[in-house]
Amino acid sequence: GQQVMQIPQYQHVQEGEDFTTYCNSSTTLSNIQWYKQRPGGHPVFLIQLVKSGEVKKQKRLTFQFGEAKKNSSLHITATQTTDVGTYFCASGTYKYIFGTGTRLKVLA
Amino acid sequence: KAGVTQTPRYLIKTRGQQVTLSCSPISGHRSVSWYQQTPGQGLQFLFEYFSETQRNKGNFPGRFSGRQFSNSRSEMNVSTLELGDSALYLCASSLGSTTGADTQYFGPGTRLTVL
Repeated sequence: GQQVMQIPQYQHVQEGEDFTTYCNSSTTLSNIQWYKQRPGGHPVFLIQLVKSGEVKKQKRLTFQFGEAKKNSSLHITATQTTDVGTYFCASGTYKYIFGTGTRLKVLA
Repeated sequence: KAGVTQTPRYLIKTRGQQVTLSCSPISGHRSVSWYQQTPGQGLQFLFEYFSETQRNKGNFPGRFSGRQFSNSRSEMNVSTLELGDSALYLCASSLGSTTGADTQYFGPGTRLTVL
């Protein structure tokens, strides 16, 4: 079945540094969604990408969908302590497969 | 609009018992999906209901079941609980678009502990 791998599993950065998490699939993805889950919280939808090569930005966050629609990335510029949490990618139609998540810690 | 609500928030059960969890979606949302989240397995899809019908199912044993009511509220049931069923159970609601690529809004989850 479809699997979505996410790397890295953990990332510790100093506040102000950049952060990137990657999502990879062996099969073509119909779409990619990104979620953020704060410690003790629930996943919160960030964005959805559907087109090959699509790039979307939300303030300091940049999301990309690969040309082959098999990978995606989330880049955070100049991290802040409020960025702490686990970032998940997910893909699917009616039935969503979630990546393993990248847990981000930001050191002040 | 009120968000997705789940009850109860915490539950402690013993092996062999059964449990029913409830989810009330956002008003107007017709699709409800259930996920199991554990540290080891991450977020795993259980099933999705739309208009009272199970539309998709994940790879979980038959002990896990669910249903959806005419008001879109959903329940999931786990029978004959095992220690490995300890997890955070999340429900997510969405409009239920025909394209299948919906924004999912998650509830706060039910933390189930099986002793």
